[in-house]
Amino acid sequence: DSGVTQTPKHLITATGQRVTLRCSPRSGDLSVYWYQQSLDQGLQFLIQYYNGEERAKGNILERFSAQQFPDLHSELNLSSLELGDSALYFCASGVPGELFFGEGSRLTVL
Amino acid sequence: AQKITQTQPGMFVQEKEAVTLDCTYDTSDQSYGLFWYKQPSSGEMIFLIYQGSYDEQNATEGRYSLNFQKARKSANLVISASQLGDSAMYFCAMREGWTGNQFYFGTGTSLTVIP
Repeated sequence: DSGVTQTPKHLITATGQRVTLRCSPRSGDLSVYWYQQSLDQGLQFLIQYYNGEERAKGNILERFSAQQFPDLHSELNLSSLELGDSALYFCASGVPGELFFGEGSRLTVL
Repeated sequence: AQKITQTQPGMFVQEKEAVTLDCTYDTSDQSYGLFWYKQPSSGEMIFLIYQGSYDEQNATEGRYSLNFQKARKSANLVISASQLGDSAMYFCAMREGWTGNQFYFGTGTSLTVIP
């Protein structure tokens, strides 16, 4: 158990819909990272938050947004979903030098 | 250029044998960290082992060891005494800088342990 909690574990929705993925980092970790893992593109870095502020941005689509709340949990919002958004979405947290992953949220867009 | 290269898409190993999974990296930073993760079919990403660029000794964690060759920029994972439960995808990753924000991942190696 990495200590990083993600919900939901599985999500099935339709194209055009909007979903929210939630992440609680390990106790004491201020950083939260979001990654997308799809079959054809491997593990892609989306965005990082540190203590409530956006710290780094990767290949995140404009239809996607994230935030980190004062209690340090984070949410990744995916809107106007397309079939290609089907993937495993990971949240990770860690102190500098570490990166521990949650179990992931598997999103299927039909 | 790719930051992390894993050239073995798939590997097979006999149970109880040792196996080496290759990883090369590309960075001009003096300070960086190298990681290996295991992803079983269930999908979770499990942290296995870490090597800092200034660590003089190779990292070891149980049956996992990291063969760190700085001059060659390689960070191979060695799994000794393979077990059936070791069958999984293995990802090599690098963090540039001591507190770098971004972690670069390789494309992974699928390991199958044969009974």
